[in-house]
Amino acid sequence: DVKVTQSSRYLVKRTGEKVFLECVQDMDHENMFWYRQDPGLGLRLIYFSYDVKMKEKGDIPEGYSVSREKKERFSLILESASTNQTSMYLCASSDYRDPFNFGPGTRLTVL
Amino acid sequence: QKEVEQNSGPLSVPEGAIASLNCTYSDRVSQSFFWYRQYSGKSPELIMSIYSNGDKEDGRFTAQLNKASQYVSLLIRDSQPSDSATYLCAVMKASNTGKLIFGQGTTLQVKP
Repeated sequence: DVKVTQSSRYLVKRTGEKVFLECVQDMDHENMFWYRQDPGLGLRLIYFSYDVKMKEKGDIPEGYSVSREKKERFSLILESASTNQTSMYLCASSDYRDPFNFGPGTRLTVL
Repeated sequence: QKEVEQNSGPLSVPEGAIASLNCTYSDRVSQSFFWYRQYSGKSPELIMSIYSNGDKEDGRFTAQLNKASQYVSLLIRDSQPSDSATYLCAVMKASNTGKLIFGQGTTLQVKP
C-alpha cells in the first residue's frame, strides 16, 4: 500500500510566522500534490509537482511556495502565515500505476 | 459552472437501503473518474475508480459512468451506518499530469 505521511497532524502558528508542512511518500510516485480543504469550498489545489525540482501552480497558489528536492518529499511553505490560511492541508501522491492517495492531513491554525 | 458538481446533501437513507450519489462534470475530454469517502476529521480514501462507460462493481459499491451525458454515479447497496460520510467525486483530465478536480462532496447519512 502507498503510504503518504505528513509531518504534523495539528499545528498552531502565529500570524507572520514562516510555516513548513512536510509530505513524504514511499512508493516512488512521480506526482505529488498539496490541497487545502475548507468547509463549503471543498478541496482546492495549491501546487503540484510531477518531477523532482519541478512545480506547477494550482488554483490557489498565492501566499504559498513549494519545494521538491527529492522524489519522495514535497514541502509546502507559508512564507508569512495569515489567519485566512487556517485550514486542513492534504498532501497526495500518484503515478500512472496508482491513483491518488492522500496523507492523513495537517490541521493548521494561524492565530 | 463548476468543473465537477455534486449535490451537497445531506442525503439521508435508512439502513439497508440503496444510496445513490451523483456527479456531473463539464469537460468532455475527462478520462478517469474516482469516488472518495471522507469521514469527519479524516483524509479522503479511494473507494472506486472507473475509466470506461458502464458499470463497475466492487462489493456493495457500484460506479456508473456515462460519458455522453458527462455523468458519474455511485450506488451503495445495503447501506450501513458506517457508510455515513462525505463522498467526493473526482475527475482527471487527459491533458493533466495526474491532477484531480474534486466536487464539493455529498454528505450521506445512514439511519439505523
